[in-house]
Amino acid sequence: NAGVTQTPKFRVLKTGQSMTLLCAQDMNHEYMYWYRQDPGMGLRLIHYSVGEGTTAKGEVPDGYNVSRLKKQNFLLGLESAAPSQTSVYFCASRDRGQEEETQYFGPGTRLLVL
Amino acid sequence: EDQVTQSPEALRLQEGESSSLNCSYTVSGLRGLFWYRQDPGKGPEFLFTLYSAGEEKEKERLKATLTKKESFLHITAPKPEDSATYLCAVQPGGTYKYIFGTGTRLKVLA
Repeated sequence: NAGVTQTPKFRVLKTGQSMTLLCAQDMNHEYMYWYRQDPGMGLRLIHYSVGEGTTAKGEVPDGYNVSRLKKQNFLLGLESAAPSQTSVYFCASRDRGQEEETQYFGPGTRLLVL
Repeated sequence: EDQVTQSPEALRLQEGESSSLNCSYTVSGLRGLFWYRQDPGKGPEFLFTLYSAGEEKEKERLKATLTKKESFLHITAPKPEDSATYLCAVQPGGTYKYIFGTGTRLKVLA
């Protein structure tokens, strides 16, 4: 199993450009999450999904949109990138019936917005 | 408001020098408390889940404990390979969300 994978690993955008970050998991997990990690701020939840076709807002959703058209994929979109969105983005997944409710994280996507 | 605070922010230990990391939390109905290890440039790696006060879990040189207000990650006789950032997170009751602390950066010197 590859676990949780993220594409791309690194990207540079100009202010106002758009892009989509892809998260894929091969563990058949129901729940998926997008976080951003900034120095001194810890991991902050952007959006999450509790199943295919469902999404919900997290702590810092403004400027981002998400879609979960397939169970194994969770896409994070930036419609008009801003320098404040420079960050490291992590995707995570977990199983609904999992005993320990553990989240499994991807390797991250580093995004620089100029 | 649900909140997680980790201390210290950074910790330097000599190899073999045992210590503890603290995670204090305020949450409406704790569903679970989680410890992760994060190496530079990588995603967090799961270590432990604790569900109720008094619970303890161990893995190699690490031991996690939980009270009603805080959790400790005890590191016994650490080695340089234990150097990493250790993250604490809580899941409030009735939600699917997780709230993370800002982490403790641990450096173990040989």
